[in-house]
Amino acid sequence: EAGVTQFPSHSVIEKGQTVTLRCDPISGHDNLYWYRRVMGKEIKFLLHFVKESKQDESGMPNNRFLAERTGGTYSTLKVQPAELEDSGVYFCASSHRRSNYGYTFGSGTRLTVV
Amino acid sequence: KQEVTQIPAALSVPEGENLVLNCSFTDSAIYNLQWFRQDPGKGLTSLLLIQSSQREQTSGRLNASLDKSSGRSTLYIAASQPGDSATYLCAVLNSNSGYALNFGKGTSLLVTP
Repeated sequence: EAGVTQFPSHSVIEKGQTVTLRCDPISGHDNLYWYRRVMGKEIKFLLHFVKESKQDESGMPNNRFLAERTGGTYSTLKVQPAELEDSGVYFCASSHRRSNYGYTFGSGTRLTVV
Repeated sequence: KQEVTQIPAALSVPEGENLVLNCSFTDSAIYNLQWFRQDPGKGLTSLLLIQSSQREQTSGRLNASLDKSSGRSTLYIAASQPGDSATYLCAVLNSNSGYALNFGKGTSLLVTP
């Protein structure tokens, strides 16, 4: 099966601009997650979708971050307006109860805000 | 709040050595524990998944153990190879607080030829 796909792999934007990250989960995986790793820190949870519904968004840093999952398929994470501290690697993952909720991660999007 | 600690932060060993990476967690109410590998600039590759009811899992030269009551897991790598060089991450899924994985900071492993 195809893995979790993220696009773009890298993005460099100026402070104040908008960036949209995309994630395509493994087909049939109802659970989709966004995580982030900033320099020197551990990977942190952002939010969790079950199909098209936000199950848990307790990790979202602030209202400049907006995640959507239209139709319960792919998901987007928009940062608007971007700030310097938003720089990091954004990972998407998906899981299914068939696999005992073992996660499969994408390769990540490295976001640099200058 | 679940906290995951990995020791050591970095490790360098000569090729062929057996080695152990350690992971500890503060809340024993877990659903599962997963070990990942991350190569520079790449995503996370799942190595082993241990359910809370299991004691260990094995895949090739890798063996992961879980002692839930003491909040510990170890990843044993046998006969290490230069290709094993990567960052190894431990992540815990709690059973009582949604489906968010709690990660350690990782152990950076270098296996020298």
